[in-house]
Amino acid sequence: DTGVSQNPRHKITKRGQNVTFRCDPISEHNRLYWYRQTLGQGPEFLTYFQNEAQLEKSRLLSDRFSAERPKGSFSTLEIQRTEQGDSAMYLCASSRTGGGASLTDTQYFGPGTRLTVL
Amino acid sequence: AQSVTQLGSHVSVSEGALVLLRCNYSSSVPPYLFWYVQYPNQGLQLLLKYTSAATLVKGINGFEAEFKKSETSFHLTKPSAHMSDAAEYFCAVSRMDSSYKLIFGSGTRLLVRP
Repeated sequence: DTGVSQNPRHKITKRGQNVTFRCDPISEHNRLYWYRQTLGQGPEFLTYFQNEAQLEKSRLLSDRFSAERPKGSFSTLEIQRTEQGDSAMYLCASSRTGGGASLTDTQYFGPGTRLTVL
Repeated sequence: AQSVTQLGSHVSVSEGALVLLRCNYSSSVPPYLFWYVQYPNQGLQLLLKYTSAATLVKGINGFEAEFKKSETSFHLTKPSAHMSDAAEYFCAVSRMDSSYKLIFGSGTRLLVRP
């Protein structure tokens, strides 16, 4: 168990460019979540997957954002035509569903990808 | 709708002093509650979790939190602060639907004075 990993850790891009982030969850975790954290705020939910199915998307996730989780393993988050308002830390978390009050519903976070849009 | 309020964006204590970080939640049903810690430029690390078992929850690094339903609170405490405790602390409530997505407070930055 090597924990949740995210790449890249930092990304600087110019406005209008596309960027893609990758998240590798803890092995055997069937759920994967994406959150966005802006400076001085707590993380906000963006979307989540159970296996390869994307089950919910926040209204924060505009149509410039797309997330995938092919084969239920790693996930990618792509932002098209980036805007300065997209600058934030993008956090990925994974968990294993167990139903009810159980440690298996605990989300474990990766180190995040910090995006700066110039 | 569920929400979390963390009172005090900054808390400053002396090394060795009691740490008290406040969290109040809003939920129509008994929630799952969490405290996470975030060090600069890092992700979130789980400190502890409440899931309707014991109301006093012990976590890592000497932290503990007490669930008080009557006060809708889940305050985080540590008897004696250490310099390494300086970080940002987030309280979160889990949505009580099939998603279990987390709703976070705005965070409290803990400063520890030597």
